[in-house]
Amino acid sequence: SQTIHQWPATLVQPVGSPLSLECTVEGTSNPNLYWYRQAAGRGLQLLFYSVGIGQISSEVPQNLSASRPQDRQFILSSKKLLLSDSGFYLCAWKGGGAERSPQHFGDGTRLSIL
Amino acid sequence: GENVEQHPSTLSVQEGDSAVIKCTYSDSASNYFPWYKQELGKRPQLIIDIRSNVGEKKDQRIAVTLNKTAKHFSLHITETQPEDSAVYFCAAIVTNAGKSTFGDGTTLTVKP
Repeated sequence: SQTIHQWPATLVQPVGSPLSLECTVEGTSNPNLYWYRQAAGRGLQLLFYSVGIGQISSEVPQNLSASRPQDRQFILSSKKLLLSDSGFYLCAWKGGGAERSPQHFGDGTRLSIL
Repeated sequence: GENVEQHPSTLSVQEGDSAVIKCTYSDSASNYFPWYKQELGKRPQLIIDIRSNVGEKKDQRIAVTLNKTAKHFSLHITETQPEDSAVYFCAAIVTNAGKSTFGDGTTLTVKP
């Protein structure tokens, strides 16, 4: 069966520090991968999605970036965190191509910027 | 691009009553519509989905209806229980585009 791992679960970082969040998927090949941010009590904001290795689509201009160095690995990064980057970050995967299947979410990373 | 509107943003019902959450979408190419439940501090989890070639789907107390002509779909929960209290998200997906668009969520509170 497929599983998604996301870490760390919580992170406290000072303003201006770098960020690296990692997500890996097991049990599937060539998935679509997604990064979302969720502010407290709010909806899911799509940040990046990827349909293949090295293919990244950005939805919101910001100081974040994403990379997909391997088929089942998706990384969210920042060189310099802002206070506004605080939130709950969720990684998700779904079957690639035209498959009509749902997204499956990781457990999320709660990021607090001080 | 796709736009999904979800209503209401908050919903409070008595235990045993029904709850209905509605979503409208803009892109007629959307062909798959999942619903997620998110409990406080947890990840969203799929509860039911419907494909564009189906008008209605039911799973025990939960049902989803889809009106492609009007571009709206709804989640129906019958005989609500306190453990149904959560935030519910709808989504519209154009599967070939690889991207999902979510509604802003509905906070459902079921009062015992």
